[in-house]
Amino acid sequence: GQSLEQPSEVTAVEGAIVQINCTYQTSGFYGLSWYQQHDGGAPTFLSYNALDGLEETGRFSSFLSRSDSYGYLLLQELQMKDSASYFCAVRAPNTGFQKLVFGTGTRLLVSP
Amino acid sequence: NAGVMQNPRHLVRRRGQEARLRCSPMKGHSHVYWYRQLPEEGLKFMVYLQKENIIDESGMPKERFSAEFPKEGPSILRIQQVVRGDSAAYFCASSPGASVPREQYFGPGTRLTVT
Repeated sequence: GQSLEQPSEVTAVEGAIVQINCTYQTSGFYGLSWYQQHDGGAPTFLSYNALDGLEETGRFSSFLSRSDSYGYLLLQELQMKDSASYFCAVRAPNTGFQKLVFGTGTRLLVSP
Repeated sequence: NAGVMQNPRHLVRRRGQEARLRCSPMKGHSHVYWYRQLPEEGLKFMVYLQKENIIDESGMPKERFSAEFPKEGPSILRIQQVVRGDSAAYFCASSPGASVPREQYFGPGTRLTVT
């Protein structure tokens, strides 16, 4: 099966940089994804890593180390609107990796 | 281009009633996924459907839950004889075909409350 671990909560101030870690155990690997979810909202895709290294998309970057079964999401120049929950997810190997398995989520609180 | 649509957005049911949740995928998308999110938890996969076919229902409880995606019309997730533990947010996602993660787009969800 698949399991993912994330810290439950992270706090930071506006303008700062924050890193949200994710460790995973999976019987097959097809990439690590990150989603953002505001309270009462839908998950929104942020980033995807299939290979080791850093992927940068604006203020957000995501890193993957397959040998360590570890990844992180890096948020720079934090804004109040970044307060949300962040989920890492992997694809389950059955049915052609169509099924997403999510971590329990990290709640990010950004203060002024 | 409208996104994934779900209705109703909020649904209140008494124990023992039936809940019907609808999902209209994005235009051109033929794959639908349903996920359930309990309060303060991550999303849990329930079922993956293509038009007129259930591909993977490994995450769906064997009793009281069913899903369909007919040739015409939205995908329906049906919960019969609801219990308090069914209270959750139910999200559907759609993709145009065999997808990489960025191509699975989520709807706004239906929040089911069982009283």
